[in-house]
Amino acid sequence: AQSVAQPEDQVNVAEGNPLTVKCTYSVSGNPYLFWYVQYPNRGLQFLLKYITGDNLVKGSYGFEAEFNKSQTSFHLKKPSALVSDSALYFCAVRALDNYGQNFVFGPGTRLSVLP
Amino acid sequence: DSGVTQTPKHLITATGQRVTLRCSPRSGDLSVYWYQQSLDQGLQFLIQYYNGEERAKGNILERFSAQQFPDLHSELNLSSLELGDSALYFCASSVAGGFGTGELFFGEGSRLTVL
Repeated sequence: AQSVAQPEDQVNVAEGNPLTVKCTYSVSGNPYLFWYVQYPNRGLQFLLKYITGDNLVKGSYGFEAEFNKSQTSFHLKKPSALVSDSALYFCAVRALDNYGQNFVFGPGTRLSVLP
Repeated sequence: DSGVTQTPKHLITATGQRVTLRCSPRSGDLSVYWYQQSLDQGLQFLIQYYNGEERAKGNILERFSAQQFPDLHSELNLSSLELGDSALYFCASSVAGGFGTGELFFGEGSRLTVL
């Protein structure tokens, strides 16, 4: 079965420091991977996706993610965190199921950027 | 603004009642997904429709039902409501039903409170 794991419930980082939010996946076939961000009482916003090609994907708000096939990981990164980056982050995979493909979301990681 | 519209934004009702949540997908999107997010919980996939037909079913209770209309808007019906049904209900849309690589676009959610 397809699955997505986000091993950390909470990540704390100081403003200006680099941040990493981890994601690992398990799918059959080629993975299509996504990151979303959710601010309080808001819907999920798309950040970036990996479909094919360069393993380093750049997205919105200065975020990037690195696809690592051998480690089945797709970690989200940002070189310098902002307090405004504090939010809930979801990793997702578009996975093959009986109807073609469907989205599977990880449990989410709460990022707190401390001033 | 994702282009996905959900109404109502907030809804307070009593146990045993029935409510209907409405979703209008982005213009041109044929697929609609419904998710439930309880307090401090991840996203629980409920159901997906593609061009009017049910495409995939997740952890949707028998008391819940949904449909997608010819104009592609969708409704999620929740009946015999229980306290535990209090949650944020998200609708998301995408162009393709199953085989695309596109991301989901989320609405702002409908917050249901059952008293």
